[in-house]
Amino acid sequence: DAKTTQPTSMDCAEGRAANLPCNHSTISGNEYVYWYRQIHSQGPQYIIHGLKNNETNEMASLIITEDRKSSTLILPHATLRDTAVYYCIAADNNNDMRFGAGTRLTVKP
Amino acid sequence: GAVVSQHPSWVICKSGTSVKIECRSLDFQATTMFWYRQFPKQSLMLMATSNEGSKATYEQGVEKDKFLINHASLTLSTLTVTSAHPEDSSFYICTPRAPHGETQYFGPGTRLLVL
Repeated sequence: DAKTTQPTSMDCAEGRAANLPCNHSTISGNEYVYWYRQIHSQGPQYIIHGLKNNETNEMASLIITEDRKSSTLILPHATLRDTAVYYCIAADNNNDMRFGAGTRLTVKP
Repeated sequence: GAVVSQHPSWVICKSGTSVKIECRSLDFQATTMFWYRQFPKQSLMLMATSNEGSKATYEQGVEKDKFLINHASLTLSTLTVTSAHPEDSSFYICTPRAPHGETQYFGPGTRLLVL
């Protein structure tokens, strides 16, 4: 799996958009970009994933740069319940996912 | 979406005993399951890959004789922590390998506390 780099922590005001960046400059052509989050004492929760195109679902949007070397997860209207550690993972078909340290997002009232 | 279950959700045991953790893929048949552990304030670390009908493969530093993995069927994998010690106290999480390009879901985790 390609290594990913994320900021250690970020704050966001409740109701505002949270933009979480991720660098994956060594990503290979068959690797997807996955985003998960983990709330304390729970298993990782799937958010979204994509290969080349931008993706959107009911939880978030994923913006992948044209060269695929970085991506941004967007939570359009952050709530207090979005406070969690967010993990960006680049993984291929084997889905052997390697977790980095992630970004601790704190949504503040 | 796909659901992964783990049992038990938490367990407390005495040092020296063995603990079995079950992971079930409820939505699809999984020929492969991945097992992770997570120590407090750390990220998830891959321990081993469980393959149905064959031996598991372990990451460097993970003792295969201590963490016994059995992939009994296409929907069930078990992790047995043998002769558990306090340093084995951790959060154990599994995930079945998803079909190509599909969503990869993780189990809710099993918290093990060894006294």
